[in-house]
Amino acid sequence: LAKTTQPISMDSYEGQEVNITCSHNNIATNDYITWYQQFPSQGPRFIIQGYKTKVTNEVASLFIPADRKSSTLSLPRVSLSDTAVYYCLVGYMDTGRRALTFGSGTRLQVQP
Amino acid sequence: EADIYQTPRYLVIGTGKKITLECSQTMGHDKMYWYQQDPGMELHLIHYSYGVNSTEKGDLSSESTVSRIRTEHFPLTLESARPSHTSQYLCATCGTSGREVSGELFFGEGSRLTVL
Repeated sequence: LAKTTQPISMDSYEGQEVNITCSHNNIATNDYITWYQQFPSQGPRFIIQGYKTKVTNEVASLFIPADRKSSTLSLPRVSLSDTAVYYCLVGYMDTGRRALTFGSGTRLQVQP
Repeated sequence: EADIYQTPRYLVIGTGKKITLECSQTMGHDKMYWYQQDPGMELHLIHYSYGVNSTEKGDLSSESTVSRIRTEHFPLTLESARPSHTSQYLCATCGTSGREVSGELFFGEGSRLTVL
């Protein structure tokens, strides 16, 4: 599974846009990029997934450059409730016998 | 969404006891995982399964064992608990969802184990 690298922590203020970048230099052709959010004492939950270019849903956008060696999660107008740890996960989940390994994650702290 | 249940949510036991953490899911997903996570730290994969009678060890060495006799259940067992086993254990499944994605991980609420 492709190893991922993210910033350990980020700080922001309410209403700002937050961009978290994940590096995955050895991503495989079939791999997708998925981002998860985790609150304390809870399991991670799905935010967004993409393969290339840009994906947007009701909570976030995901930007993936042409070489796919990195990806950026964009959270528009964050609120205090967005304070959490964000993980990017790279892999092809539908088939194959590879494990799904999380990286260190990025701890986002949103201030009032 | 997948329904995945973990029991117990909290467990405090003494050293040397045998414990089993239960994980059940109702979505019929073939792939299931156990992660270990200490407070404020990253998730470590300790076991996974791609279907009935299939189990593999994850990246982090663990003294626990798992079994997959039925699709719905993926219990984790510690034969003799020690204080070093104190941690949160998260179970997850991977499968299709209502979203158009290549698989999605669904996590349970976790089992927080404290060994005295």
